[in-house]
Amino acid sequence: DQQVKQNSPSLSVQEGRISILNCDYTNSMFDYFLWYKKYPAEGPTFLISISSIKDKNEDGRFTVFLNKSAKHLSLHIVPSQPGDSAVYFCAASEWYGGSQGNLIFGKGTKLSVKP
Amino acid sequence: DAGVIQSPRHEVTEMGQEVTLRCKPISGHDYLFWYRQTMMRGLELLIYFNNNVPIDDSGMPEDRFSAKMPNASFSTLKIQPSEPRDSAVYFCASSLGRGTDTQYFGPGTRLTVL
Repeated sequence: DQQVKQNSPSLSVQEGRISILNCDYTNSMFDYFLWYKKYPAEGPTFLISISSIKDKNEDGRFTVFLNKSAKHLSLHIVPSQPGDSAVYFCAASEWYGGSQGNLIFGKGTKLSVKP
Repeated sequence: DAGVIQSPRHEVTEMGQEVTLRCKPISGHDYLFWYRQTMMRGLELLIYFNNNVPIDDSGMPEDRFSAKMPNASFSTLKIQPSEPRDSAVYFCASSLGRGTDTQYFGPGTRLTVL
């Protein structure tokens, strides 16, 4: 039973437009969320994170939105560029036992940005 | 500044053979993680170490899997005997601390068991 779900395996967007990647979670105790980006034949690299005390975090073209009541977060990329074409993983963890727990990853969404 | 190093990058073996995957974490990082990526299950944590000590191995699928970290700069993940369903990409990651500290991933080892 997946606690972090990325229901869209793939997404195709035109260069210059907005890309919106979605992630849903089931564990209400999750309080820290991250997005990782992965290019073929490389390992995932950290992109952006958000704590549950916020509902938005922005870093350049990348913004993550968190809706705790809906247990939903999204990653917005504006404007999208061909170099953004990659697999994006959503991940979450919860604080318990005095420390932050293990990262639980979604299955990923493959973003293709077409010139 | 070298990142996490994994070897081999690709491994093809036959069912029943022993497989050893290797990882060199980023110097100074106290935490080392082994992940497995499959189409069915996505990216899942197998085991993690803190200061060379295994802390949580609840993600290790079976007794056929074992992991060691003999020193701060080296870890191995061993599968013995290997089975076709072990075919996956195995990632090693390291971080300075736990929790919200960023995990840095290696390039992965693509394992194919025939």
